[in-house]
Amino acid sequence: KNQVEQSPQSLIILEGKNCTLQCNYTVSPFSNLRWYKQDTGRGPVSLTIMTFSENTKSNGRYTATLDADTKQSSLHITASQLSDSASYICVVIHYKAAGNKLTFGGGTRVLVKP
Amino acid sequence: EAGVTQFPSHSVIEKGQTVTLRCDPISGHDNLYWYRRVMGKEIKFLLHFVKESKQDESGMPNNRFLAERTGGTYSTLKVQPAELEDSGVYFCASSQTQGLGETQYFGPGTRLLVL
Repeated sequence: KNQVEQSPQSLIILEGKNCTLQCNYTVSPFSNLRWYKQDTGRGPVSLTIMTFSENTKSNGRYTATLDADTKQSSLHITASQLSDSASYICVVIHYKAAGNKLTFGGGTRVLVKP
Repeated sequence: EAGVTQFPSHSVIEKGQTVTLRCDPISGHDNLYWYRRVMGKEIKFLLHFVKESKQDESGMPNNRFLAERTGGTYSTLKVQPAELEDSGVYFCASSQTQGLGETQYFGPGTRLLVL
């Protein structure tokens, strides 16, 4: 069982609507959490980063939340656009002096339809 | 500034053949990582270079995989001989500094299909 579980696996939304993606993790210890956006044929690009003491972080129409007590995070997309169609990956990071360890979720594939 | 580049973008080979993937990190980035995503699974860590030294290769699946980073610039990942289960997308990432604020920048990946 993966230590970072994302849901749903995929979703389809209409342009202009909002959606929320979920991430539950069991990774411990935990330094920070990032949400990445991966467009088809491209590598993941970081959207947000949060430490365990932060509850929310925004990047334009993307808002991430974190509850370190329940080990849950969410990514909310507001007023979706066609360009939001992509995979969104939750990544939990454990800081180590020898090199940070990244644990990836399986991703949520989002398709925005006109 | 150019991002992380990977070559080739796609590779289709037969079981038993050899394939070499190349990664060019962002200029000046000492840290270089290899990851892969096999079908239906999450991205997983393979190894980490700091300059030309292997800092962590705990994710390498077996001795059919050999990574090098001579001179501390670009890196190659060789699979020899390739097996069916090696099919997937191989990502390279680089970063300037480690620590809490590290941001890894990913390349577009190499899609490997072993037939």
